[in-house]
Amino acid sequence: GAGVSQTPSNKVTEKGKYVELRCDPISGHTALYWYRQSLGQGPEFLIYFQGTGAADDSGLPNDRFFAVRPEGSVSTLKIQRTERGDSAVYLCASSPPRVDPWENTQYFGPGTRLTVL
Amino acid sequence: GNSVTQMEGPVTLSEEAFLTINCTYTATGYPSLFWYVQYPGEGLQLLLKATKADDKGSNKGFEATYRKETTSFHLEKGSVQVSDSAVYFCALTAPSSGSARQLTFGSGTQLTVLP
Repeated sequence: GAGVSQTPSNKVTEKGKYVELRCDPISGHTALYWYRQSLGQGPEFLIYFQGTGAADDSGLPNDRFFAVRPEGSVSTLKIQRTERGDSAVYLCASSPPRVDPWENTQYFGPGTRLTVL
Repeated sequence: GNSVTQMEGPVTLSEEAFLTINCTYTATGYPSLFWYVQYPGEGLQLLLKATKADDKGSNKGFEATYRKETTSFHLEKGSVQVSDSAVYFCALTAPSSGSARQLTFGSGTQLTVLP
């Protein structure tokens, strides 16, 4: 079946501009995550959705970052007034409803590479 | 907080050599442990996992055993192939992550296998 898809695959923007990054999770997956991966580092958690609501946004670095998931499927990560330090690969992951509360296998999309000039 | 420490890379091996990539963790409670792999130009893929102490995860000839006493989850493969060249990430989810159970990743280890 189809995996997690993310668009665009690459985004180049200028400092101060607004960008939107889209994630389409695996069908039937209720949980959705956004991570950010800087060069040479592991991914870092940004925000988690269970259904339509942002259940945990503790990883968002500041109020320029915002994400929505209005119908409980597709999610959009929005970054206002972009800065050069926002340049990274933004990863989306989804996971199915949990049968075992200790189990949380996440399936990742290919990522969006954001470059802020 | 939760953290994962991985063996520094890059690692370069000859084909058919034995591979070990060390991973240790710090977590509150009993985490679930994962190895993810990122092949060149591709997204992160789950390689194997273990959800409780002494469990062994295995896939594609790779193995890792959840060692609670040493807080480790080292990745091993008896005979690597050129196609195993990739970046390997150790990760965990822990009860202290809250309901999100988000993954906490190590910094990754680049593996290059030469023919």
